[in-house]
Amino acid sequence: GESVGLHLPTLSVQEGDNSIINCAYSNSASDYFIWYKQESGKGPQFIIDIRSNMDKRQGQRVTVLLNKTVKHLSLQIAATQPGDSAVYFCAESGDSSYKLIFGSGTRLLVRP
Amino acid sequence: DGGITQSPKYLFRKEGQNVTLSCEQNLNHDAMYWYRQDPGQGLRLIYYSQIVNDFQKGDIAEGYSVSREKKESFPLTVTSAQKNPTAFYLCASTSGQGGYEQYFGPGTRLTVT
Repeated sequence: GESVGLHLPTLSVQEGDNSIINCAYSNSASDYFIWYKQESGKGPQFIIDIRSNMDKRQGQRVTVLLNKTVKHLSLQIAATQPGDSAVYFCAESGDSSYKLIFGSGTRLLVRP
Repeated sequence: DGGITQSPKYLFRKEGQNVTLSCEQNLNHDAMYWYRQDPGQGLRLIYYSQIVNDFQKGDIAEGYSVSREKKESFPLTVTSAQKNPTAFYLCASTSGQGGYEQYFGPGTRLTVT
């Protein structure tokens, strides 16, 4: 899920399939993680969050999985729809209770 | 209707001019943030404020200044010292009371020529 330079990694899925977007986080002290969706030209929108005392949390059509052993976070979107096409960012709390550290994002493209 | 507003949506300036971006929230949040986003990249923290009359530099504060005179408002000034000011600027806020989720405004796209 982390990008290199100016090129966002892109995940292309067929409409109706499940999507899995991955993110490697950096700070083992992080106790809060969050996923945002950003559509072109708009501000990020909250999707789902999870605290470090959990390894899975489900929302409507979305599930976040946390693996603290390998510092990995994933976002699963069930039955992906065209409206899910966007850039998805993960973020972690790091050492701070006030700041979030954002990943570089993954672009999700949904093919009709 | 609670939320964060940023104005204007698009802003054009000539090089060498200072410009101030507005951010207002009516969520009664204590903490507010400014981020910069360049094409195809993530969010980089410019400044943040945990409480009125106090603010801290983020990762890329050089060439920017802020003030926090009111709880609802956190304006960002992009000064002429900022070498590459053209970008998408996002303001966010959070309750700051054990809650990390940041609520974002719609953003301001600044173009400097």
